[in-house]
Amino acid sequence: SAVISQKPSRDICQRGTSLTIQCQVDSQVTMMFWYRQQPGQSLTLIATANQGSEATYESGFVIDKFPISRPNLTFSTLTVSNMSPEDSSIYLCSVKQVLNTEAFFGQGTRLTVV
Amino acid sequence: TQLLEQSPQFLSIQEGENLTVYCNSSSVFSSLQWYRQEPGEGPVLLVTVVTGGEVKKLKRLTFQFGDARKDSSLHITAAQTGDTGLYLCAVFNAGGTSYGKLTFGQGTILTVHP
Repeated sequence: SAVISQKPSRDICQRGTSLTIQCQVDSQVTMMFWYRQQPGQSLTLIATANQGSEATYESGFVIDKFPISRPNLTFSTLTVSNMSPEDSSIYLCSVKQVLNTEAFFGQGTRLTVV
Repeated sequence: TQLLEQSPQFLSIQEGENLTVYCNSSSVFSSLQWYRQEPGEGPVLLVTVVTGGEVKKLKRLTFQFGDARKDSSLHITAAQTGDTGLYLCAVFNAGGTSYGKLTFGQGTILTVHP
């Protein structure tokens, strides 16, 4: 199993500013992902965080808006840039080992943009 | 169109009642997962089904994978208030650049009233 610490757990931000969300895992993991979720709704994948190289983004998400870093096998950050109220959502970090079918999730960061 | 069609979207029942949640697709999957998410937390894996026709039980929860591996159901017997949460079915992308990514159904919000 993997224990994920995600920070901050929630934040209220002004439009036009940026917020960086941190994801720390208690063990080395091969795969890390960032998801977005509206409260009570399903999860949408933003990108795969690749260690030592640029993240792989899903359709509709771009690096300029959601830059991601992954300097090692236990840590990643997601930045939400130039925020607007439409970015208000829950952002979740997820990890998985290549040979394991179980994905683990952080508790999420609830972002409100005003 | 959604890869996974999950229904119903909302369920509000009394404690002690039974319920079934469905997850359907036109695609065939090698495996399918069910997650439960409580408010303020990330999704937690309940079960992975891999064989067509497979039935797995987790206390009062019964999971079934369709014979053709295109659909699945989650049945809860004698629901309790602690079963309240968001239930999500999900499948892994098998290969290529999509390997390891989860695609979720729309989710079912279950509320069990005392």
